[in-house]
Amino acid sequence: GDSVTQMEGPVTLSEEAFLTINCTYTATGYPSLFWYVQYPGEGLQLLLKATKADDKGSNKGFEATYRKETTSFHLEKGSVQVSDSAVYFCALHSGAGSYQLTFGKGTKLSVIP
Amino acid sequence: DAGVIQSPRHEVTEMGQEVTLRCKPISGHNSLFWYRQTMMRGLELLIYFNNNVPIDDSGMPEDRFSAKMPNASFSTLKIQPSEPRDSAVYFCASRETNTEAFFGQGTRLTVV
Repeated sequence: GDSVTQMEGPVTLSEEAFLTINCTYTATGYPSLFWYVQYPGEGLQLLLKATKADDKGSNKGFEATYRKETTSFHLEKGSVQVSDSAVYFCALHSGAGSYQLTFGKGTKLSVIP
Repeated sequence: DAGVIQSPRHEVTEMGQEVTLRCKPISGHNSLFWYRQTMMRGLELLIYFNNNVPIDDSGMPEDRFSAKMPNASFSTLKIQPSEPRDSAVYFCASRETNTEAFFGQGTRLTVV
């Protein structure tokens, strides 16, 4: 079945540091890939997505590239801010015929001034 | 659109009582998901519906949990009887086919 594996947290970085959160997946077909973010006390919201191989999703300075050859979708940001402190979830959807979204376990990021 | 709307936002109840959580998905979305989030187990999928029909309820922890979707604009998750270990944040999410999911703000349930 489908699965998503994220690097375990928590991750603590200083402001303006470079961020990478690793995500690899196992899926049938041609999945779409997503990163969601959950700020304290809130629901999950979509951060970025990529629907086919070599696509790059980007939003709010975050980027992730859909790498089919390595089955990865790593999240990166060049300079994190305190306001980026949140839990980040990698997720996939297998495509036509599948209703379910499969989520990773989440990675908690804390950015300190 | 107002997004996915969940009610109540917070619920405190005594052990043994019935609890009903409510969700209004985004209009036009054809899939609806119920998730539970705890510190220990993270985000767990409980059940999901497509076109109001339950597709997979294998994540429902036990018979005390039940979910319904009587029409395209409303779903409930019921726990009867509730237990302290059911304390968690419960999220509802909806989506159109092959698109991302949109989450509600969640219901924080505390069973004392």
